[in-house]
Amino acid sequence: RKEVEQDPGPFNVPEGATVAFNCTYSNSASQSFFWYRQDCRKEPKLLMSVYSSGNEDGRFTAQLNRASQYISLLIRDSKLSDSATYLCVVNWRGGGADGLTFGKGTHLIIQP
Amino acid sequence: GAGVSQSPRYKVAKRGQDVALRCDPISGHVSLFWYQQALGQGPEFLTYFQNEAQLDKSGLPSDRFFAERPEGSVSTLKIQRTQQEDSAVYLCASSTRNSPLHFGNGTRLTVT
Repeated sequence: RKEVEQDPGPFNVPEGATVAFNCTYSNSASQSFFWYRQDCRKEPKLLMSVYSSGNEDGRFTAQLNRASQYISLLIRDSKLSDSATYLCVVNWRGGGADGLTFGKGTHLIIQP
Repeated sequence: GAGVSQSPRYKVAKRGQDVALRCDPISGHVSLFWYQQALGQGPEFLTYFQNEAQLDKSGLPSDRFFAERPEGSVSTLKIQRTQQEDSAVYLCASSTRNSPLHFGNGTRLTVT
């Protein structure tokens, strides 16, 4: 399985600020990309898929840079409830869920 | 509920004991995955089923680990002669074709 690298953090960010973090992947044949969110002692949950043209969901924006092999997640107007671990997930085998490789996660702490 | 169900939620085993972890996927989900998540790490792939067929077991760390899904629905992950390094959260996830993963809330295994 191919590697997915993330800065583990923690990122300590004041409430209301904008925060962004990247994830790099080593397999140039990777075909689909996701950000998952994992709260402490909970299961990972899909936050958003990452599309080639970039996509936005409310305060969250995801970008893909195939040339440099990284994806990014930007969170605007951060809320206390955004505190979690954000897992970068890359699929090197196609559109299905097999072949998914998880990064170790970036720990985000939003401070009041 | 309609989610992925795992049991037990917590399991404490003495080193050398055998354990069996159960996963009940979302009804109709063809694909089922087992992941191992150590503290502070991202989920690591263990094995993957499509219906009753185990298509990939490359992530199983040793021959002490065995998974089955005999009727293409419920799956059991068995660990024989548990060791301390087996202590982790074991996550089960299911999906349909081209859909993201839906995770269960995991079984936290502690080997003493």
